[in-house]
Amino acid sequence: GNSVTQMEGPVTLSEEAFLTINCTYTATGYPSLFWYVQYPGEGLQLLLKATKADDKGSNKGFEATYRKETTSFHLEKGSVQVSDSAVYFCALTTQTGANNLFFGTGTRLTVIP
Amino acid sequence: DAGVIQSPRHEVTEMGQEVTLRCKPISGHNSLFWYRQTMMRGLELLIYFNNNVPIDDSGMPEDRFSAKMPNASFSTLKIQPSEPRDSAVYFCASSLNRDQPQHFGDGTRLSIL
Repeated sequence: GNSVTQMEGPVTLSEEAFLTINCTYTATGYPSLFWYVQYPGEGLQLLLKATKADDKGSNKGFEATYRKETTSFHLEKGSVQVSDSAVYFCALTTQTGANNLFFGTGTRLTVIP
Repeated sequence: DAGVIQSPRHEVTEMGQEVTLRCKPISGHNSLFWYRQTMMRGLELLIYFNNNVPIDDSGMPEDRFSAKMPNASFSTLKIQPSEPRDSAVYFCASSLNRDQPQHFGDGTRLSIL
């Protein structure tokens, strides 16, 4: 089946610290992988995506590389800011059928000044 | 461009009452998704539509839940009768097609007393 396992939070970091949020997946077929971010009181926003092995998605200083050999899509940022405080969701879709997303449980990040 | 628009943003009602949540997808998008988010279960797909047709409603919890999409620009999720355990944030999302990412609305926070 399809599932996403991501690092449990919450994660608390000081400003300018390095961030890693781990994400691994299982999928039938060849999935596309996503990171979504949810700021307080808002819906989910697409942060970045990768659609094939070794692709690197990047946006707003965040990066994640699609690793087929380890079935992983870890999110990284070199220097976090207070404004990055949010909940981060790893997700996948498969190439068959409609593109319904399978989400991880989310990781809450708090960045303190 | 306007994003996915959901209404109401907040709904508080007594158990046993009928609740109707509304969603306007992004114009031109042909896939629409309803999700429920709770602390206990995270994000769950309830149902999705493709070209206004329900494709998979296996995530709908029980017969008290129903969803319709009478045209390409409007969908409803109805709960009748509502119960306290239905309290959650309900998100609507749309995508251009199966290969494009989903765009989420800001959600409806539902509280059943």
